[in-house]
Amino acid sequence: AQSVTQLGSHVSVSEGALVLLRCNYSSSVPPYLFWYVQYPNQGLQLLLKYTSAATLVKGINGFEAEFKKSETSFHLTKPSAHMSDAAEYFCAVSDLTQGGSEKLVFGKGMKLTVNP
Amino acid sequence: DTAVSQTPKYLVTQMGNDKSIKCEQNLGHDTMYWYKQDSKKFLKIMFSYNNKELIINETVPNRFSPKSPDKAHLNLHINSLELGDSAVYFCASSQNERDTQYFGPGTRLTVL
Repeated sequence: AQSVTQLGSHVSVSEGALVLLRCNYSSSVPPYLFWYVQYPNQGLQLLLKYTSAATLVKGINGFEAEFKKSETSFHLTKPSAHMSDAAEYFCAVSDLTQGGSEKLVFGKGMKLTVNP
Repeated sequence: DTAVSQTPKYLVTQMGNDKSIKCEQNLGHDTMYWYKQDSKKFLKIMFSYNNKELIINETVPNRFSPKSPDKAHLNLHINSLELGDSAVYFCASSQNERDTQYFGPGTRLTVL
């Protein structure tokens, strides 16, 4: 079964600074990978996804992530943080159930704080 | 127009009660899901339906019973509520299992 590791639970950056949120997955077989964002008291919204096309994936709001098979990583970056980026960020990986269906397995999330 | 909607947004109830949460999507998607997010924000899938048929049941207690009357609706009924059921429950939908999932706003369930 797939698992996702997001080290740490909280990242704090200054406005205008680089945002780097790390995500590692467990499988040697390249899965589908996703980053979702959750703003306070809202549901999750897709930022970007990797589906075995280009390894550098661009998403909404200036975010991008790079799939690195050798490192089993899919880190999320944004060159310049904005106050509106403050939210919880979840990395997710597709996985097969015993019945052969696909499901998403989520990491435990990373809270991003942006300081003025 | 709201893509995935859930009602109610908040639900406060006593232990032992039975409650339902409703979900509707107007995206024309074939697949719908229920997720549970605990107090530490950990998100885990509970159920998945494709065209009204159950395809994923992630070892959820049988006090939880999903029902899909049609492709656009997936409701969650919970019997004999326990303190540990307190969480935020999210409904989601996607065109197929590998496609982007669209989440509802969540239902915060508090069991007293």
